[in-house]
Amino acid sequence: AQSVTQLDSQVPVFEEAPVELRCNYSSSVSVYLFWYVQYPNQGLQLLLKYLSGSTLVKGINGFEAEFNKSQTSFHLRKPSVHISDTAEYFCSVSAGGGADGLTFGKGTHLIIQP
Amino acid sequence: KAGVTQTPRYLIKTRGQQVTLSCSPISGHRSVSWYQQTPGQGLQFLFEYFSETQRNKGNFPGRFSGRQFSNSRSEMNVSTLELGDSALYLCASSLDRGGANSPLHFGNGTRLTVT
Repeated sequence: AQSVTQLDSQVPVFEEAPVELRCNYSSSVSVYLFWYVQYPNQGLQLLLKYLSGSTLVKGINGFEAEFNKSQTSFHLRKPSVHISDTAEYFCSVSAGGGADGLTFGKGTHLIIQP
Repeated sequence: KAGVTQTPRYLIKTRGQQVTLSCSPISGHRSVSWYQQTPGQGLQFLFEYFSETQRNKGNFPGRFSGRQFSNSRSEMNVSTLELGDSALYLCASSLDRGGANSPLHFGNGTRLTVT
């Protein structure tokens, strides 16, 4: 079985400051990792994904994430946030070639303060 | 290319009734997955259909069912509605099995309120 833990339910950050949203996963097999963003009253949109290869992956809107196998983490970062980044962010994992489907974390609400 | 389309956008039903939600995937996508999103439980996987066959099912009671048509459009049905079924139901499509190496593309969801 696979699981995802997003350690922070809410992260307040000032505009133009850097941010890190934390994600840890649990799986006994190799994994694929994803970050999705959800704006109010909308569905989820893929930010970035890790399938294999380089552990640092870059996504849309200036976000990046680093896969750390030893710490089973996949933290999301952005060097300078904008008010438009206010949204809910979900980390998700797919293990075993996708046989068990996609498991999502509870989400982190990123609040950008002017 | 048109995105994933879910209808209706909002729905209000009474306890005990049944409801059908519809999802049209992105053209060419053969996999459709359904998720339930609530403030308390977050995103929970309901089921996945691929080429008209249910490939995977989450931990939901039998009141929740779905199907996929030959054109990949999918419907999910909830019978004997309970207050706890109030949620945002999200549909997602992908080229291949959802999640493996084929990212999910989500619709904007159907907001179901059970009174």
